[in-house]
Parts: sequence; C-alpha cells; structure tokens
Amino acid sequence: GAGVSQTPSNKVTEKGKYVELRCDPISGHTALYWYRQSLGQGPEFLIYFQGTGAADDSGLPNDRFFAVRPEGSVSTLKIQRTERGDSAVYLCASSLQLGELFFGEGSRLTVL
Amino acid sequence: AQKVTQAQTEISVVEKEDVTLDCVYETRDTTYYLFWYKQPPSGELVFLIRRNSFDEQNEISGRYSWNFQKSTSSFNFTITASQVVDSAVYFCALSEADNAGNMLTFGGGTRLMVKP
Repeated sequence: GAGVSQTPSNKVTEKGKYVELRCDPISGHTALYWYRQSLGQGPEFLIYFQGTGAADDSGLPNDRFFAVRPEGSVSTLKIQRTERGDSAVYLCASSLQLGELFFGEGSRLTVL
Repeated sequence: AQKVTQAQTEISVVEKEDVTLDCVYETRDTTYYLFWYKQPPSGELVFLIRRNSFDEQNEISGRYSWNFQKSTSSFNFTITASQVVDSAVYFCALSEADNAGNMLTFGGGTRLMVKP
C-alpha cells in the first residue's frame, strides 16, 4: 500500500506474555520511528531507525522493550513480560524529510 | 529538557467560526523545530507544518495559519471559517537540533469539535 502499515491493529494479551508489533514503512523511507500514545495524551518517542541501525533508542522505557529493522525496511517492536502499564496505542512512522512523519494507524495493545 | 504545553484540552465551536489553538514550548536550544499534527477520528496522525527557530514569519495555507512568536515561546494555530471536517485532535510538537529533528516531543493535544 501507499501508507505506513501496522499489524496487528489490535492485540489483547495477558500480563507476562511476549508481544511483537510489526511496521511496514512507506517504500523508500529510510527513517522509521516508534511512538507510544496513551489515552488522552500525545505520542511519546520510543526509538528511531536510520536504515538498519537504531540511531536513538533513548525513549524505550526499560529493557523489556526492543526493536529491530534487520533489512532497513520492516520493523518489529518486541515487548517481553508485558505489564498492564504497557497498554497503549503503538504508532509507527516513516519519513524522508526532517520532522515530516507519515504515521500508521497504530497497534492498540491491551494487557489484561 | 524540552516541553510542549497545550493548555486547551477541548474546544467546541460552531461551523464557520474562527478558532485558535494555543501552543507554548520550552527548550534550552537556540536551534529547534516546531510542528503541528492533526489526528482525526481514524487515528492516523497527519503532518501539517514545520517551522525552524530562525524563521518567525507567519504562515498561511488556505484556511490554516500559524503564528510563531519566540518572545513568548508560542506557536499558535488558527483555523479560519472552521468546518465539521476540521474536528480532530491537534498536536503541537518540538524537536531540538541536537537530535536533528528526529525525536519529537508532543504536547497533550487539543480536541477540536466543530458543530454544524
């Protein structure tokens, strides 16, 4: 498709389980971002990739969170030992120009 | 540390009214970037504008206009003759130059409801 694609759109899991969220950016966009948005709040930065490498992962809240982008295109955000506080919408974005991010519709994660 | 404050959590107007969304920011950098994004009910954030800290010219794009004032650290957004399709949550964001504009700090958003 033409836009940023995120799967799954909804994920319900139990506390302690492992979760993977996938992002397929716009073709040709070298920069890829993960943000997290809690209800009623603005998005919070998690991690930024330029190509295959994580250029800035300062927003990852702890070592249960990890993201990869092995071939410089699709990215996967991985969350281990999920906690109820991880419940949020996880947004992926890609870009070509500084700050002009194209966002996907997000993956809504609910941890019971 | 950088911070963005959108004091108006919710605004309701009647179609064709003008409305201004306020944004106040804090940063220690002299070079930074400011943004506005729109999040319609579908959930997908849409980029509206980027300004750099050296360009204080106001900008107009159709019914949208932006007023950047460094003296008050504000970057306000005005919609003229609002329409029902303008109903959305609007986010102001800031990025400092030392992360090359790649890490955006968003405000809490302003929910705009335009009634017919």
